[in-house]
Amino acid sequence: SAVISQKPSRDICQRGTSLTIQCQVDSQVTMMFWYRQQPGQSLTLIATANQGSEATYESGFVIDKFPISRPNLTFSTLTVSNMSPEDSSIYLCSVWDRGGDTQYFGPGTRLTVL
Amino acid sequence: AQKVTQAQTEISVVEKEDVTLDCVYETRDTTYYLFWYKQPPSGELVFLIRRNSFDEQNEISGRYSWNFQKSTSSFNFTITASQVVDSAVYFCALRTGTASKLTFGTGTRLQVTL
Repeated sequence: SAVISQKPSRDICQRGTSLTIQCQVDSQVTMMFWYRQQPGQSLTLIATANQGSEATYESGFVIDKFPISRPNLTFSTLTVSNMSPEDSSIYLCSVWDRGGDTQYFGPGTRLTVL
Repeated sequence: AQKVTQAQTEISVVEKEDVTLDCVYETRDTTYYLFWYKQPPSGELVFLIRRNSFDEQNEISGRYSWNFQKSTSSFNFTITASQVVDSAVYFCALRTGTASKLTFGTGTRLQVTL
């Protein structure tokens, strides 16, 4: 398995500001994933973060809105930029375990934008 | 394209009842992996089970059991003698071939009352 931590666990932010979410894994991994879960909805993949290269964004998500950093094999950040109330969601990071069999998720960051 | 359908949006049962959560998937790949995750009110996604497409053996883990049927493209999840602590949103997910990302269903909210 993989142990994943996220900071902050929750935050309330004002419209137009930005928030950076951190994700730390207890082992080195090639890929880290960022998901968004809007209230009452399923999980949607935002992007895949690879160490040493640009993140790969899914359709509907752009780097200007969700810039991602991946400075090493155990850490990644997701920034939610110029926030609006529609960005209120749970943001989760995830990784595959060492064998690539199971994807484990962090505890999530619950974001509310006023 | 891959798709996961969880037709049951919400299920409410009384404690000690058995309950089955349905999951139907679509994929053209012959190699794929199916998952179930539990999301309690805290928001964290908890891995429950992984099953690959070559293993149709049903699995039982305590009060949980899973029925995988390739003929109907279903991977249903049964909780026997449900408990209040089972109250959560349950997600079925699909990974195909060598793809790195998961496709999630819309989730089923299970409410177990006394």
